[in-house]
Amino acid sequence: SQTIHQWPATLVQPVGSPLSLECTVEGTSNPNLYWYRQAAGRGLQLLFYSVGIGQISSEVPQNLSASRPQDRQFILSSKKLLLSDSGFYLCAWSVRFLKSYNSPLHFGNGTRLTVT
Amino acid sequence: AQKVTQAQTEISVVEKEDVTLDCVYETRDTTYYLFWYKQPPSGELVFLIRRNSFDEQNEISGRYSWNFQKSTSSFNFTITASQVVDSAVYFCALSDGRGSTLGRLYFGRGTQLTVWP
Repeated sequence: SQTIHQWPATLVQPVGSPLSLECTVEGTSNPNLYWYRQAAGRGLQLLFYSVGIGQISSEVPQNLSASRPQDRQFILSSKKLLLSDSGFYLCAWSVRFLKSYNSPLHFGNGTRLTVT
Repeated sequence: AQKVTQAQTEISVVEKEDVTLDCVYETRDTTYYLFWYKQPPSGELVFLIRRNSFDEQNEISGRYSWNFQKSTSSFNFTITASQVVDSAVYFCALSDGRGSTLGRLYFGRGTQLTVWP
């Protein structure tokens, strides 16, 4: 069965420090991968998505970046964190084939980031 | 563009009451999928159901039921005989358009359901 791992679970970082959140998927190949952020208002905002190694698309301009160095690895990074980067970050995967629009997203347990 | 509206920000009920969570969506696609997710206090998002735009049959799974009506662009979720463990934030979501290989979902803002003992 497929599993998704995301770490760390919680993180407290000072403003201006770098960030690296990692997500890996097991039990599937060529997944679509996503980073979502959930701010205090509870809404889920898509930050980045990837349909393959090295292929990253950004949904909103921001202080963050993403990379996909391996097929089942997705990394969220920042060189210098801002206070506004605080939130709950969720990694997700979905099956990638011709009809991916009907594929549910499967989420990791999330990382709660507090920037102080 | 896809859009999902969950007008109910918070709902509180007492255990054993029935509760309906509303979801209204907008899309120009003729083929699309709708989803419901549950987010308990622990934070992870749990997939509950997927429905395609051509199947308007209501679905029941235990105490959960879903009412999909294309005429009103709604996909409402009812919990019968609610329990304290049902307390969570519930998200409705709409898929990317037909032909998309992305599988991106557009989420509503969520409804916080609190079930009191």
